Amino acid sequence: GAVVSQHPSWVICKSGTSVKIECRSLDFQATTMFWYRQFPKQSLMLMATSNEGSKATYEQGVEKDKFLINHASLTLSTLTVTSAHPEDSSFYICSARGGDNQPQHFGDGTRLSIL
Amino acid sequence: AQSVAQPEDQVNVAEGNPLTVKCTYSVSGNPYLFWYVQYPNRGLQFLLKYITGDNLVKGSYGFEAEFNKSQTSFHLKKPSALVSDSALYFCAERSSASKIIFGSGTRLSIRP
Repeated sequence: GAVVSQHPSWVICKSGTSVKIECRSLDFQATTMFWYRQFPKQSLMLMATSNEGSKATYEQGVEKDKFLINHASLTLSTLTVTSAHPEDSSFYICSARGGDNQPQHFGDGTRLSIL
Repeated sequence: AQSVAQPEDQVNVAEGNPLTVKCTYSVSGNPYLFWYVQYPNRGLQFLLKYITGDNLVKGSYGFEAEFNKSQTSFHLKKPSALVSDSALYFCAERSSASKIIFGSGTRLSIRP
């Protein structure tokens, strides 16, 4: 089945640094990719939607300058958490979809811990 | 606003018994509905979807879901639970903006 690879799976870094998370669709072309954030024991919160070659559409309350999203190709999207702070610590999950009526396939998530 | 509701935070079932995880939706018209499963520290795995057609949808790992328009429900079911089915289950619907909106999740615990 469709595979989405997310890297890294776990990252720990100091406050103030920037962290980049990659999301790749391995065996299909992802016209749309999504980035979610999940707090412990909670549901997934959609942060932004990105279409290849276009600017990402951010959900209300998500800071565009804080969470930079790039979807440069049909198989790769990146999320950069800029100047990360402890409150940015969370589980970040990407997903990709091959077409409008296709299901979303999810990466295994990235656990981000900011010290 | 469009939403899905999962009324149970946790469902406990003995191995071998049938299981049901409840979900109700609120979107009008023809909903696109999904079930996903999440294991610890992992992303979500797609189980099944309903777009149109038969009300009983069969999915992965022996799961199925029944779409009921009059009750606006899309409950997940399995005839005989396995301990390995223990995980977090999310019902979801695709909004008019083509975004997937997730329910709050139901933790399924299967005891041996």
